[in-house]
Amino acid sequence: DGGITQSPKYLFRKEGQNVTLSCEQNLNHDAMYWYRQDPGQGLRLIYYSQIVNDFQKGDIAEGYSVSREKKESFPLTVTSAQKNPTAFYLCASSHPGGPKNGELFFGEGSRLTVL
Amino acid sequence: GESVGLHLPTLSVQEGDNSIINCAYSNSASDYFIWYKQESGKGPQFIIDIRSNMDKRQGQRVTVLLNKTVKHLSLQIAATQPGDSAVYFCAENDAVQKLVFGQGTRLTINP
Repeated sequence: DGGITQSPKYLFRKEGQNVTLSCEQNLNHDAMYWYRQDPGQGLRLIYYSQIVNDFQKGDIAEGYSVSREKKESFPLTVTSAQKNPTAFYLCASSHPGGPKNGELFFGEGSRLTVL
Repeated sequence: GESVGLHLPTLSVQEGDNSIINCAYSNSASDYFIWYKQESGKGPQFIIDIRSNMDKRQGQRVTVLLNKTVKHLSLQIAATQPGDSAVYFCAENDAVQKLVFGQGTRLTINP
């Protein structure tokens, strides 16, 4: 089945450590996104990529980094520079110009806890 | 800047009743709106969308209404069921491939 796979589902990190969250999609979508969700809050855009080897900062990119070397993969690294990294991270993808245009397809999320 | 917000953070309804979840948006240039449903610990799922050239769109048990005059969006769920309990987000698309999400409304269905 086509979809978006995020891993790990749960992750614990010590302060000062970098951690990388995986996001893989087999939907043949061009665009991919990373969102952060805090308890009781909406989704805030971290980074997005509309095409391979290109990505743009979202609203809260500080302390995060991404790469887009392959169409199906968009890993997110939470660096030690991110002051409050404990959150639920959601990856999404969409096909530009598709029938539903802006609709995003989401993964199941990765919950990061900093100890 | 643009923002999408919800009037109520929580909503409780009786099973079988209709639910109405509201959303206000501030960017009059937004041309596409989506409602998402998010169950606990999961990613959001698409419910229904509407383009700015429409006022109303119906799906299965759900209806989205768009009032561009007052920049208001609503989601109506008919005959709510226990499985409808979730957080509902509206989102607006004011640029290619960039959605802005509201804070969400938690819908609780009482038996």
